[in-house]
Amino acid sequence: EVQLVESGGGLVQPGGSLRLSCGASGFTFSSYWMSWLRQAPGKGLEWVANINQDGSQKYYVDSLKGRFTISRDNAKNSLYLQMNSLRAEDTAVYYCARAYSSSPEYWGQGTLVTVSS
Amino acid sequence: DVVMTQSPLSLPVTLGQPASISCRSSQSLLHSDGNTYLAWFQQRPGQSPRRLIYKVSNRDSGVPDRFSGSGSGTDFTLKISRVEAEDVGVYYCMQGTHWWTFGQGTKVEIK
Repeated sequence: EVQLVESGGGLVQPGGSLRLSCGASGFTFSSYWMSWLRQAPGKGLEWVANINQDGSQKYYVDSLKGRFTISRDNAKNSLYLQMNSLRAEDTAVYYCARAYSSSPEYWGQGTLVTVSS
Repeated sequence: DVVMTQSPLSLPVTLGQPASISCRSSQSLLHSDGNTYLAWFQQRPGQSPRRLIYKVSNRDSGVPDRFSGSGSGTDFTLKISRVEAEDVGVYYCMQGTHWWTFGQGTKVEIK
């Protein structure tokens, strides 16, 4: 069974940084593109970033380029999202997902990031 | 950016009756590889999204066959043949041809 478990969310002040992690199990992690997506409270879904199997290709939504960095460690079956210069509008539930056929196939339960002073 | 527009945004339905959600993209979703990367997601209250349909009409494993997807180019539809109580939630379309963008969501509720 595919399982994706996010962690690392919490309360952070504007301008601060946070690193999210996603532990994967139940599939060969190194064989799949992986993604981060987010959902602001009461709002819709937004794609954040994708990374290919070996980490050599990374893609981001234009509005976040330069502040967020996606990475992975295939030896640890883990996906990461480093978030810097956080703003109030980054407040959201952040989901890790396995990508297949150019869309997120399996989603984690999400981790809440709150940016507030 | 490709803009995805769903209608209606709210859909009250009667149990056992059909339901249909429309999704339009601001440009064609036909990829140069010949595939059309249009997916549908269901998000039940308090849950993570779940993919139902990928590449327009392919149902994911475990998705009931009352869900079907169709369309091409810029116009797409998700149909539920007979709505059940467990279908309540928000449905999103998403294009994966030009990076990834989602529609605004359609809230399905029981009348």
